[in-house]
Amino acid sequence: AQTVTQSQPEMSVQEAETVTLSCTYDTSENNYYLFWYKQPPSRQMILVIRQEAYKQQNATENRFSVNFQKAAKSFSLKISDSQLGDTAMYFCAFMKPRETSGSRLTFGEGTQLTVNP
Amino acid sequence: DGGITQSPKYLFRKEGQNVTLSCEQNLNHDAMYWYRQDPGQGLRLIYYSQIVNDFQKGDIAEGYSVSREKKESFPLTVTSAQKNPTAFYLCASSIDAGISTQYFGPGTRLTVL
Repeated sequence: AQTVTQSQPEMSVQEAETVTLSCTYDTSENNYYLFWYKQPPSRQMILVIRQEAYKQQNATENRFSVNFQKAAKSFSLKISDSQLGDTAMYFCAFMKPRETSGSRLTFGEGTQLTVNP
Repeated sequence: DGGITQSPKYLFRKEGQNVTLSCEQNLNHDAMYWYRQDPGQGLRLIYYSQIVNDFQKGDIAEGYSVSREKKESFPLTVTSAQKNPTAFYLCASSIDAGISTQYFGPGTRLTVL
């Protein structure tokens, strides 16, 4: 079974600065997908970024980028120019495609990020 | 406006009662999912459905039941057999049950009195 570990329960950053959230995972699979979701105080889960394991290039979405290290099974999220609206719980998630029974997400326990003014 | 809706936002239940949480999507997605979130924990999969009239148990299905009679709807029933039902419940959908990204509804907070 796959496991996802987020070792930082809480982090804080000053507005406009850069912060990196860590995520490691354990799998024996070669083909899989990784995600970062954010959950603001409204508790709506919002997709931040997605990475395909077969792609060597790190995914980027505006101020959000990842550092995907497949051999190390590491998938960190970098937030540049942090904004107050980035304050949220961030979840790392793993998906292994299953042809017959459907793909399922496995989530880490989350990192609470607070952006301070 | 396309999206996933969940109702109600807050739900209170007395012990011993069954309660049904609603999840509707107008994204024309084939696959739908139910997750449970407890404080300080990530999401755990309760049930999922790849297509209409089909569903599979997730990791914590005991005490829950679902139906998928329509593509747009995937209601979750929390039965009296669920020993600790107080939690935040999230519904999600994806284009298919393969590698497509899952998108989430706003959630329902269930409290057992």
